[in-house]
Amino acid sequence: QVQLVQSGTEVKKPGASVKVSCKASGYNFASNAIHWVRQAPGHGLEWMGWIHTGNGNTRYSQKVQDRVTISRDRVASTVYMELSRLRSEDTAVYYCMREGLGYYFDFWGQGTLVTVSS
Amino acid sequence: EIVLTQSPGTLSLSPGERATLSCRASQAVSSPYVAWSQQKPGQPPRLVIFAASRRATGIPDRFSGSGSGTDFTLTITRLDPEDFAVYHCHHYAGSRVTFGGGTKVEI
Repeated sequence: QVQLVQSGTEVKKPGASVKVSCKASGYNFASNAIHWVRQAPGHGLEWMGWIHTGNGNTRYSQKVQDRVTISRDRVASTVYMELSRLRSEDTAVYYCMREGLGYYFDFWGQGTLVTVSS
Repeated sequence: EIVLTQSPGTLSLSPGERATLSCRASQAVSSPYVAWSQQKPGQPPRLVIFAASRRATGIPDRFSGSGSGTDFTLTITRLDPEDFAVYHCHHYAGSRVTFGGGTKVEI
């Protein structure tokens, strides 16, 4: 069955970087794009960007494009999201999600809590 | 940039009642690009409706989606206790995704 398994909780200081992983299994990794979204405590979902797992092309939201890098390792069937120059407003649960055969997301990772605090 | 506005922010209903959730876009969008997901506390979202009106796998038929242009609606007939959650709409087109602010359906 399709699964997306994310790495564990992170605690970082302001100015540091964080790299969250999302390991896919149960399907052909290269056939579905992976997106990242985040959800700050008590807030809605914010889209951050996506990667074409086949060719590695990426697209980022304007809000974070100067600080985020999404990459993938096809051998390991894993997608990474790295966010740099962290600030307290980046404290959130980060989710990876698989793009379905259309303009929607059919499977989600379990979420990774990233806390930014001095 | 398209902005999605969901209303109401919170919907207080009882089991068995009907829930009507709204998602309004700041400009006309195409139906294939609109979807709805359900999120319960401490869990990731789960796809409910895609292409504005198509139910995702395993979603009961008490859930339905409708709409076009700028106005889209998620309807839950006869609320079940397991339906109380936050519902998000999103629009995905041009390689960009926008989410609405969410509607909480509470008992």
